[in-house]
Amino acid sequence: GDSVTQMEGPVTLSEEAFLTINCTYTATGYPSLFWYVQYPGEGLQLLLKATKADDKGSNKGFEATYRKETTSFHLEKGSVQVSDSAVYFCALSLIYNQGGKLIFGQGTELSVKP
Amino acid sequence: NAGVTQTPKFQVLKTGQSMTLQCAQDMNHNSMYWYRQDPGMGLRLIYYSASEGTTDKGEVPNGYNVSRLNKREFSLRLESAAPSQTSVYFCASRANWGSGEQYFGPGTRLTVT
Repeated sequence: GDSVTQMEGPVTLSEEAFLTINCTYTATGYPSLFWYVQYPGEGLQLLLKATKADDKGSNKGFEATYRKETTSFHLEKGSVQVSDSAVYFCALSLIYNQGGKLIFGQGTELSVKP
Repeated sequence: NAGVTQTPKFQVLKTGQSMTLQCAQDMNHNSMYWYRQDPGMGLRLIYYSASEGTTDKGEVPNGYNVSRLNKREFSLRLESAAPSQTSVYFCASRANWGSGEQYFGPGTRLTVT
């Protein structure tokens, strides 16, 4: 079945370090791909998205490229800040699958130290 | 424009009690969803509603019922709460166009003792 696998956390970085969170997916069809972020005690916020192969989603310095050949959508940021500390979820959606539900990875907790 | 709102924010129930979680969206979206979030498991779909008047089961529907009261509101009911239903519950709605992104409410943290 359709699924998302992302690297396990927690990930701990120093401020201004480079961030990569790996995400790979399995899907029958052509999914849309998303990264969501969850700050402590809050709901999920859409961080970025991509809808087709080679699309690059970007927002707030974060980027991810839809790689169909490797079925991946890795999240990157060149210089993290303390305020980026949160849990990051990779997700896919297939419009014909249960009303376009989101299928999530298990989440990766990021902690950025000053 | 409040987006997706949920009530209550926190709730403690005893085993066997019932309650209804409320959700509303003001973005005129057709589709709405209920997810539960458990540690290390991401979010899992409980029920969804593709349009007003329709509801369908997701991955983990047992022990829950839903009502799509109108286009704005989608409620989740626990008829007889069990400790296994201790979780954080999120309501979401999906844009009618675009790439299918969903917008989430702030969540309800439910503890069943």
